[in-house]
Amino acid sequence: VQLEESGGGMVQPGGSLSLSCVGSGLRFGNYEMNWVRQAPGKGPEWVSYISTSGTTIHYAESVRGRFTISRDNDQSSLFLHMKSLRAEDTGLYYCACQRVAGATGAFDYWGQGVLVIVSS
Amino acid sequence: DIQLTQSPSSVSASVGERVTITCRASQDVSTWVVWYQQKPGKAPKVLVYAASHLESGVPSRFSGSGSGTDFTLTISTVQAEDFATYYCQQANAFPITFGQGTRLDIK
Repeated sequence: VQLEESGGGMVQPGGSLSLSCVGSGLRFGNYEMNWVRQAPGKGPEWVSYISTSGTTIHYAESVRGRFTISRDNDQSSLFLHMKSLRAEDTGLYYCACQRVAGATGAFDYWGQGVLVIVSS
Repeated sequence: DIQLTQSPSSVSASVGERVTITCRASQDVSTWVVWYQQKPGKAPKVLVYAASHLESGVPSRFSGSGSGTDFTLTISTVQAEDFATYYCQQANAFPITFGQGTRLDIK
């Protein structure tokens, strides 16, 4: 199983950025998908969740209204569109999946992460 | 939101010692707790899920216990490769939350 994120970079406060994650080696449509971020030297922080069909979505309060999660199961892809970015959004963004069958609540597989830096 | 408080925030141990890390939830999460190990530059790795179930491939020196609000991760005999940071996570309710982490380093 591989999850590969892309799209990170440096952006000014108030700017926008879009992240992508492509999965391989798994039946992508059978997994619930999430974005989890980690600020430098800090612990993981869950950002957003999307169900297998895309019909159920959740966001952390800190990003609600600014971030939009979506997925394309045919392309085995997960997306995160981020706008009105703030300095506190800086960090390594991971896509992470949760199995549906025999759900444990764990993030079973993680990508390598993509760095987002919000700075002027 | 459900807050997870880990203790201690850091612990020093020698190879062969027993180490226990606790995670307290601010409300009942049943057994929806996962423990992760994270090494520098790597993504977190699942050790224990559903509070006490060892993930496939994880050494049996790791064990988890607890339910409700109090959970424990134990390493029975610490090995050199276990020096890392450990996090608990609850999956009982959104928003999913993590503990602040426990750093295990060499004494």
